[in-house]
Parts: sequence; structure tokens; C-alpha cells
Amino acid sequence: LAKTTQPISMDSYEGQEVNITCSHNNIATNDYITWYQQFPSQGPRFIIQGYKTKVTNEVASLFIPADRKSSTLSLPRVSLSDTAVYYCLVGGGNTPLVFGKGTRLSVIA
Amino acid sequence: DSGVTQTPKHLITATGQRVTLRCSPRSGDLSVYWYQQSLDQGLQFLIQYYNGEERAKGNILERFSAQQFPDLHSELNLSSLELGDSALYFCASSVPSGYADTQYFGPGTRLTVL
Repeated sequence: LAKTTQPISMDSYEGQEVNITCSHNNIATNDYITWYQQFPSQGPRFIIQGYKTKVTNEVASLFIPADRKSSTLSLPRVSLSDTAVYYCLVGGGNTPLVFGKGTRLSVIA
Repeated sequence: DSGVTQTPKHLITATGQRVTLRCSPRSGDLSVYWYQQSLDQGLQFLIQYYNGEERAKGNILERFSAQQFPDLHSELNLSSLELGDSALYFCASSVPSGYADTQYFGPGTRLTVL
């Protein structure tokens, strides 16, 4: 399973766009990139998933360069409720998720 | 609401005891995963079941065991409990899609061992 590296923490003001970058140099051909969000004492929640280029849904965008060795989760106009831990994971189908430490995002008013 | 249910929400017990945690996956999901989250270890994968069969094993202690029943609900049994077993235990479920499936997590069971 490919290992991921992401910043331990980030701060942002409300209304700003937040970009969290994740490195996964050993990503395999069949691996997808998935981001989860976790609030304290709650289970992780799926945010977005992609294989290459750009994926956008109602809550975030995911940018993946051609070499796929990194990815960037973009959260537009964050609010206080976006304060959470964000996990970047890579893996294939129907396999257990390997969680790292994640990025603790603090949104400040 | 992810559609995954876990019971109980909280469990307080003493060292040496045995407990059972229960998970009901989303309707139609065949895979169930168990994860442990403690303050010092983060989220750790324990074990996966697919349609009643064990599929993958992670950092699961020999004192712990799990099974998935014909109706696809799963139980995680923790025995000879130690103080260090205090943690949040999450269950997740997914439908295998041929590529990276999305896992949906339950609300967790908080286990406190005194």
C-alpha cells in the first residue's frame, strides 16, 4: 500500500480557499486517491475520490497531476464547520484503508 | 447519516472482561471493516469480512475476534480486556466496485476499560 505524506496541521480564515497537498510517490497503477474528513468522536466521512486530472463534487475538488505522485484537495470558501482532520489515502478496490496522521485543519473566524 | 449502524454507542467495562460490538452495514454492502482509533495510535485497520468470509487482517490482537453473519451484520469480540484497549471502534462497509470502493463509516463505539 502506498504511503502518503501530508502536512500535520493548517490554519485558515473563514471564506478562504484551502488547499491540502498529499504526496504519494509510490502510488501503484491501480491505486485511486481518496480523501476523508473526520470530526472529533465521529467516523471518517468520504469527501472525494479520483484517479487522474481533476474531480469536483459539491464539497471539494481534487487535483491530480499527470505523474499522480501527489494530489491536492481544495476546499472552497471554508467555514468554521470545516474544522476537522483530513486524511489522504491511496489504494485499490475492496481493500482496507491505511490511515496516516491526517491534516488537522483549523478554520478561524 | 452514513447508513452504517453500530451498537452500543458507549461501553464501560473492567479489565479482564469480554465485550461484543455490533455493526450493521448499509443495505446491499457486502464488505465490513473494523478499525480501532486510540489517541496515540490513530486509526488502525483490524479486520475485513466480505460476504461472511474473512478477507484481510490487520493489526488485530489474538484476544480480538470477529465474524460476519448471513444477514451481513458483523460482531467484534474483545476479550481479556486491558486498559490499553480503551478506544473508539469503527465499523465501515462498502460495495466492491472493481476499483477503489468507497467505505462508509458508522458512528463508532467508545470503549472504556477501567
